[in-house]
Amino acid sequence: QVQLQEAGPGLVKPSQTLSLTCTVSGAAIGGNGFYWNWVRQHPVKGLEWIGSFSPAGIFYNPSLKSRVTISRNLSQNQFSLSLTSVTFADTAIYYCAREAWDLQDAFDVWGRGTKVIVSS
Amino acid sequence: SSELTQDPAVSVALGQTVRITCQGDSLRSYYASWYQQKAGQAPELLIYGYNVRPSGIPDRFSGSSSGNTASLTISGTQAEDEAAYYCKCRDSNGNHVVFGGGTKLTVL
Repeated sequence: QVQLQEAGPGLVKPSQTLSLTCTVSGAAIGGNGFYWNWVRQHPVKGLEWIGSFSPAGIFYNPSLKSRVTISRNLSQNQFSLSLTSVTFADTAIYYCAREAWDLQDAFDVWGRGTKVIVSS
Repeated sequence: SSELTQDPAVSVALGQTVRITCQGDSLRSYYASWYQQKAGQAPELLIYGYNVRPSGIPDRFSGSSSGNTASLTISGTQAEDEAAYYCKCRDSNGNHVVFGGGTKLTVL
């Protein structure tokens, strides 16, 4: 059974960098067939795709691209999100999720999410 | 356009059928997938591809697509179906993910 677990600080000050890690169990992030994604959800709002990686490359939401970096640690089977120069608008629940090529790119496994508050 | 448009809110009487729609140009090229999100929970995959339900999803949920519109239909809506529903697709170049704005379903 594949599981994803987000981890990181729940509170970040404005202008600082938000860093989160997603630990994956039950599947290897270095394998073919999947995109590994970050998605966020602002309070009482919808889902916003942040970015993803796969053997095909790393892709970012154009609206966040200047501030986002997604990296991976294959030995730890983890991937990470770095979001620079945060503002109050970056307060959200952050999810990591797997997107399966053989399910017509459906997000078949999600982490439980981690809440991040940007506040001074 | 890479946007997916959903009605913000829909209501349905208990036991009745409701259709939730998602519109966007990229739906002409890529399948939509549908997600249910209950309060305080992560989204859950409901439908993918051409009307495929993952194991454990009740058969009252079904999907369809025509042109630039994808639809999620709930037949015999139950009280526990009250939730937010999101569609998702890849954008026209296939490299980016797009979510619809979500539809909040109220069961009366």
